[in-house]
Amino acid sequence: GQQVMQIPQYQHVQEGEDFTTYCNSSTTLSNIQWYKQRPGGHPVFLIQLVKSGEVKKQKRLTFQFGEAKKNSSLHITATQTTDVGTYFCAGPGGTASKLTFGTGTRLQVTL
Amino acid sequence: NAGVTQTPKFQVLKTGQSMTLQCAQDMNHNSMYWYRQDPGMGLRLIYYSASEGTTDKGEVPNGYNVSRLNKREFSLRLESAAPSQTSVYFCASSELGTSAPLHFGNGTRLTVT
Repeated sequence: GQQVMQIPQYQHVQEGEDFTTYCNSSTTLSNIQWYKQRPGGHPVFLIQLVKSGEVKKQKRLTFQFGEAKKNSSLHITATQTTDVGTYFCAGPGGTASKLTFGTGTRLQVTL
Repeated sequence: NAGVTQTPKFQVLKTGQSMTLQCAQDMNHNSMYWYRQDPGMGLRLIYYSASEGTTDKGEVPNGYNVSRLNKREFSLRLESAAPSQTSVYFCASSELGTSAPLHFGNGTRLTVT
């Protein structure tokens, strides 16, 4: 079955440093979504990428979809303590009806 | 506008007991999902319902059953709970399939002793 892996599993940064998480799928994806889950909370949708090579920005967050549509990345510039949480990528898992989540990257930011 | 509502928030069961997790959405979404989340394992799909009247197995369906009661409600049943089912369970909904974002409930933290 489809597998979606993310690296790193965990990253600890000082506030102000940059952060990047990478997502790799075993199959080509029609789209990829990113979610953020705060500690003790539920996943919250951030963005969806559809086109090959697409780049989207949300303030300090930059999302990229690979040319082959099998990988994606999320880059945060100048992290803040409010960025703490686990970031998941997710893509259609075999059918158009179900979403397979990556393993997640947990980000810890300290002052 | 409540979004996706899950009940209960917490539950402790003994091995062999049964229970039903309830989920309701008020966004008129067609698709609904049940995921479980375990440390280091991310979110794993248990069952989903692409539209009212249909249900399908996800990655980890063993030990669970679901019912799509109507367009709003999608319940998850554990017939005979096992310690391996200790987890956080999330219900989610989307307008239609994976082309639309998932909206998650607040989760149910289940412990099976």
